[in-house]
Amino acid sequence: DAGVTQSPTHLIKTRGQQVTLRCSPISGHKSVSWYQQVLGQGPQFIFQYYEKEERGRGNFPDRFSARQFPNYSSELNVNALLLGDSALYLCASSLNLGYGYTFGSGTRLTVV
Amino acid sequence: AQKITQTQPGMFVQEKEAVTLDCTYDTSDPSYGLFWYKQPSSGEMIFLIYQGSYDQQNATEGRYSLNFQKARKSANLVISASQLGDSAMYFCAMRGLIQGAQKLVFGQGTRLTINP
Repeated sequence: DAGVTQSPTHLIKTRGQQVTLRCSPISGHKSVSWYQQVLGQGPQFIFQYYEKEERGRGNFPDRFSARQFPNYSSELNVNALLLGDSALYLCASSLNLGYGYTFGSGTRLTVV
Repeated sequence: AQKITQTQPGMFVQEKEAVTLDCTYDTSDPSYGLFWYKQPSSGEMIFLIYQGSYDQQNATEGRYSLNFQKARKSANLVISASQLGDSAMYFCAMRGLIQGAQKLVFGQGTRLTINP
């Protein structure tokens, strides 16, 4: 069985640009969460989606948005990129709320 | 607010020795879950072990065990017979329900280096 798949693995963007990151959860998993991990720190919660609805949002500006599709895959969008948005973005899927989480390998975003 | 504290930025251990990675937590919720993840340089967060707040016994998974002391709010990870492949970042995390979202709160991590 395929694990959590994230794309792209790496990308470089210029300040002010917009970026879309993609996540495909494990088959059958209905919940997807997004985390930002800045170098040298632990991951920080950005969003959780369950059954295509936003269930929670972390302390991130409105430049960050996400959505979940009928097949439970998800996209994370970041507008007006700042240098500080450079980080590893991790997607985690779980069967349902309250179950264990399986993480993908992440997308490394560099903003120059 | 929920918080995880990992006080060891780095640990150096000889191969085949046991190692304990410290984790303390703070929460006012009676129901919570504690996780340990391993993050190699590739970036993927690899699940190691889970302890529920109502579990009576300490969790074990192969060479990994979790020393859960609820009264002291600690959840230390013990790795027995360490191997070179255990070198990585290790994160302690707590699952909590905040405003309808089940989210993980992570500590700062401990970088473990296994020396041959």
